[in-house]
Formats: sequence, C-alpha cells, structure tokens
Amino acid sequence: QVQLVQSGAEVKKPGASVKVSCKTSGYTFSDFYLHWVRQAPGQGLEWMGWINPNSGGTNFAPKFHGRVTMTRDTYISTAYMELSRLRSDDTAVYYCARDLGYSYGPFDYWGQGSLVSVSS
Amino acid sequence: QSALTQPASVSGSPGQSITISCTGTSSDVGGYKYVSWYQQHPGKAPKLIIYDVSNRPSGISNRFSGSKSGNTASLTISGLQPEDEADYYCNSYSASSILLFGGGTHLTVL
Repeated sequence: QVQLVQSGAEVKKPGASVKVSCKTSGYTFSDFYLHWVRQAPGQGLEWMGWINPNSGGTNFAPKFHGRVTMTRDTYISTAYMELSRLRSDDTAVYYCARDLGYSYGPFDYWGQGSLVSVSS
Repeated sequence: QSALTQPASVSGSPGQSITISCTGTSSDVGGYKYVSWYQQHPGKAPKLIIYDVSNRPSGISNRFSGSKSGNTASLTISGLQPEDEADYYCNSYSASSILLFGGGTHLTVL
C-alpha cells in the first residue's frame, strides 16, 4: 500500500533552517510528482511547491522563492523540503502529498504531517 | 495569486444537502479542469474526495459530488451524516504552473 512517512517535529529559532523528509513506499517513486503543503495553527492549507522525483525539477509558490529547496534521493524513495531564514509565521504542520496528475494535482496520498515550531 | 474564495462556514442537519462554493478567476478555476476537494478532520491529514471537478476517488461515497460553472466550483454533500463534520478545501491548478487552495469551509452537522 502507498505510504508517505514524514520526519518528526522540529523546534527552530528564527533565522535557522529546517529540513523535513518524506519517505515513500508502495509505488514507483519516480512516477509521481510530490508536493509540499503547509498549515499554520488554526489556518488553512497553503501550497508550497512540487518536485519531479524523476528529473529533480522543482516549482515553487512565489512567496517561497529563494527560501525553499526541494530535493530527493531516488535510492531511498525520499523527498526533502528545506525552508531557510525561518520566521515565527513559518510555524506550521508541513505535509508532503503525492500528485496523481503530473503537477496539476490532485493529491491522492498525504504524509502524516511534520510540525515545525519557530520560536526564540 | 490570491487564495480561492470559500465561505468560512456552512451548516446542515442530518439527511439534508449542503453546497460549498469555491470562487476563483479565469486563470485558475475557470480555466482548467484541475479542481479538487479535500476533507480534513481535526488533527488529521487532508483526504481527497473530488478531483478533476467532478470525479470521485475509489472508496468515496457518492453522497459527495462536484461541479463547476464559470469561475466557481462547488462541492455538494447530500444525506448529511455526523461524520461529515469537518473542514473542506478546494484546490485548483492555475497559470504559471502553481496551485491554489481555498481558505477552507467548516461544515457543522447540527
């Protein structure tokens, strides 16, 4: 069965970076784009970007350009999202999600979420 | 690009039907068939319930249906059940290859 298992909770100080992992199983990793979506406490979902696991190509929401990096390790079927220059408003649950439609969505499988807390 | 517009909350009684709207522009909702809907219960990851405007994934009840007219997509839930109480989000592909979420709608089953 398809599974996306994310890394655990992180606590970071403002200005630091965080790297969240998303280990996939149950399907061919390179066949499906992976997206990252975040949700601040009590707020809605916010799309951050995607990575093409086959080519490594990426595309980001404009507000994250310059601060986010998405990478993958095809040998261990794992994707990574790194967010730099963290601010308090980056405190959120970060989800990875598999794309059924080659970057257009929808997101048919989701990770369990990784809480990132940013506080001095 | 702005988030898609959804009502903050809707409510209905068990057995009734409700509709949640998702309004965008011709550059997103109105321009593409790639509109999807997600259900999220507290503390859980979102769950796909409608994709490509009106298609249901395997295992999703036919009480959930989707449609689109112009720049507005809609999710209808018929025969409301207590377990339908959740947050609902629409999502659309948009120009420049980005995706947009709606602000979310909380459904209360009275």
